[in-house]
Amino acid sequence: QVQLVQSGAEVKKPGASVKVSCKASGYTFTSYGINWVRQAPGQGLEWMGWISFYNGNTNYAQKVEGRVTMTTDTSTTTAYMELRSLRSDDTAVYYCARDAVPYTLSSWSYFDLWGRGTLVTVSS
Amino acid sequence: DIQMTQSPSTLSASVGDRVTITCRASQSISGWLAWYQQKPGKAPKLLIYEASSLESGVPSRFSGSGSGTEFTLTISSLQPDDFATYYCHQYNSYSATFGQGTKLEIK
Repeated sequence: QVQLVQSGAEVKKPGASVKVSCKASGYTFTSYGINWVRQAPGQGLEWMGWISFYNGNTNYAQKVEGRVTMTTDTSTTTAYMELRSLRSDDTAVYYCARDAVPYTLSSWSYFDLWGRGTLVTVSS
Repeated sequence: DIQMTQSPSTLSASVGDRVTITCRASQSISGWLAWYQQKPGKAPKLLIYEASSLESGVPSRFSGSGSGTEFTLTISSLQPDDFATYYCHQYNSYSATFGQGTKLEIK
């Protein structure tokens, strides 16, 4: 079954880090990039960045660059998003989403497969 | 970054109505635009890509049009399952961006 399975909800204190995982299955994962998109409570969608499963290249949104690191583990077909120096406004549902177009050089594709989302709550 | 502006932010309509949502880009994105539907507590679902191509399995009452900076999503005859929030997404630039969303409510 073609799917992206994300890790469970997290509660973190301000200043801490969180690492969310996204396991791909049912398709040739090395052919497609993975994007991370977040959604604060009651708000819209915000693209955070992209990573290539093919070569590990990344592209981050300016808003989170410097605090975010996206990685992949091809042995477990899992993508990771780590966000550091967490603030209360990082509270959101974090989604991973697959590029629909294979072998893109950056986030130049629409997203045809999404994970169910991981709620990250930042609170003291 | 390219800014995407959707209108209206909220739309009230009845079952059977024809509705149109507009998305404007701050600069030309050619036809590199997608539309998604999102229901509460769920991940977004792809409806339209490359401005006017219907994703497999999506009902034909959904259609998209436009190029350059102005795009529309049209639902020809609203069904009860269509009441949701809709987002446009440009993927023409190094940084992808979404519109702020249009919530489609039952009148």
